[in-house]
Amino acid sequence: DAKTTQPNSMESNEEEPVHLPCNHSTISGTDYIHWYRQLPSQGPEYVIHGLTSNVNNRMASLAIAEDRKSSTLILHRATLRDAAVYYCILRDRSTAGYALNFGKGTSLLVTP
Amino acid sequence: NAGVTQTPKFRVLKTGQSMTLLCAQDMNHEYMYWYRQDPGMGLRLIHYSVGEGTTAKGEVPDGYNVSRLKKQNFLLGLESAAPSQTSVYFCASSYSGQSGTEAFFGQGTRLTVV
Repeated sequence: DAKTTQPNSMESNEEEPVHLPCNHSTISGTDYIHWYRQLPSQGPEYVIHGLTSNVNNRMASLAIAEDRKSSTLILHRATLRDAAVYYCILRDRSTAGYALNFGKGTSLLVTP
Repeated sequence: NAGVTQTPKFRVLKTGQSMTLLCAQDMNHEYMYWYRQDPGMGLRLIHYSVGEGTTAKGEVPDGYNVSRLKKQNFLLGLESAAPSQTSVYFCASSYSGQSGTEAFFGQGTRLTVV
């Protein structure tokens, strides 16, 4: 069963902020929320992860709801190079080897 | 610091041939994973290893074997390739299995079985 729910696709204009939503209503107290992205013809790339508090790094920000049942990845100024599939993943021990369980993600289209 | 390196990047096999994909990481990570990705799909776990000398099955292990004789290397073998194994294969590594640990991925091996 999917542990996270994301929209199949989103579109954004270049240089505008992008908010990518993710629902994870069955999250447990120790599960971190991870975001990865996959650019065309490349391997997945780590973006950000967090547990309870909002997190920022050079690539993006992660806003986590107070009840932790949803989160939002924020790209502050989208560029054409941000066009990718974005995966929201809960890394937990229910998956073999604590592997990252990839769904289909959100395909982000960035237009000039 | 090369990270995770996969060899080869591309390969075409005939049905029934065998081959080995190599994954090497230079980050002293304990956990290593092999995934496959089919068109329009997310990644699916084939096999994984939680340390040198250990391997275990993932979601789609049939037709594949793995070995982890050295900590830095994780090999994926296809003994008798089938067209259904045409896919892009990704290797990943992680320092541990803790939920707050990030994973690093290789650039992939594109395999075609004809």
